Amino acid sequence: DIQMTQSPSIVSASVGDRVTFTCRASQTIGRWLAWYQQKPGKAPKLLIFKASSLQRDVPSRFSASGSGTEFTLTVSSLEPDDFATYYCQQYDTLVGTFGQGTRLENK
Amino acid sequence: EVQLVQSGAEVRKPGETLKISCKASGYTFTNYWIGWVRQMPGKGLDWMGIIYPGDSDTRYSPSFQGQVTISADKSSGTAYLQWDSLKASDSGIYFCTTPIVGDTTRPLDLWGQGTVVTVS
Repeated sequence: DIQMTQSPSIVSASVGDRVTFTCRASQTIGRWLAWYQQKPGKAPKLLIFKASSLQRDVPSRFSASGSGTEFTLTVSSLEPDDFATYYCQQYDTLVGTFGQGTRLENK
Repeated sequence: EVQLVQSGAEVRKPGETLKISCKASGYTFTNYWIGWVRQMPGKGLDWMGIIYPGDSDTRYSPSFQGQVTISADKSSGTAYLQWDSLKASDSGIYFCTTPIVGDTTRPLDLWGQGTVVTVS
């Protein structure tokens, strides 16, 4: 199994802040990585695919980079709607694996 | 409308069987993989497995192999997740979704609303 590790587990930030989340894969996955946002009681929403491609209708304040085993997701200027949990997910294997998530909370 | 609609919440006892469903509409069901993701109470997301309805090719995460059965009915455009003997640890929310597979430039990214399963 490919294990995905996200850090930190919790981030406290304020509206307008720039925040970065990190995701590491236990083995190289090329650029087969996606980022999802999930709010309580809701299904996840795809933000980024293929490590850095912005899904349609996702605001441009979200950006991502990385390849191999190290990946980051950045939100350039937090808005109130961005407080949620963020998951990375590898799809180098047909059945992917998620990281454990990073919860972004309002400071 | 392009969507996945899941069956309603279920309450079962340990040892019982259960089959939940996910009906697809608005796209060609047989052309896209569809799968199931578990979310235990207060926890993260776990991929369980996926199926290609076009030929019923089914793959499971090692953690769920032998624990559940994923199937699909092409005629009705519906995917299923089945347990033969439920455990209390199967309690959680189950989402169906169209996973990203391969080098797609336009992921479908459909998710059902989730089905809450309570085993007690």
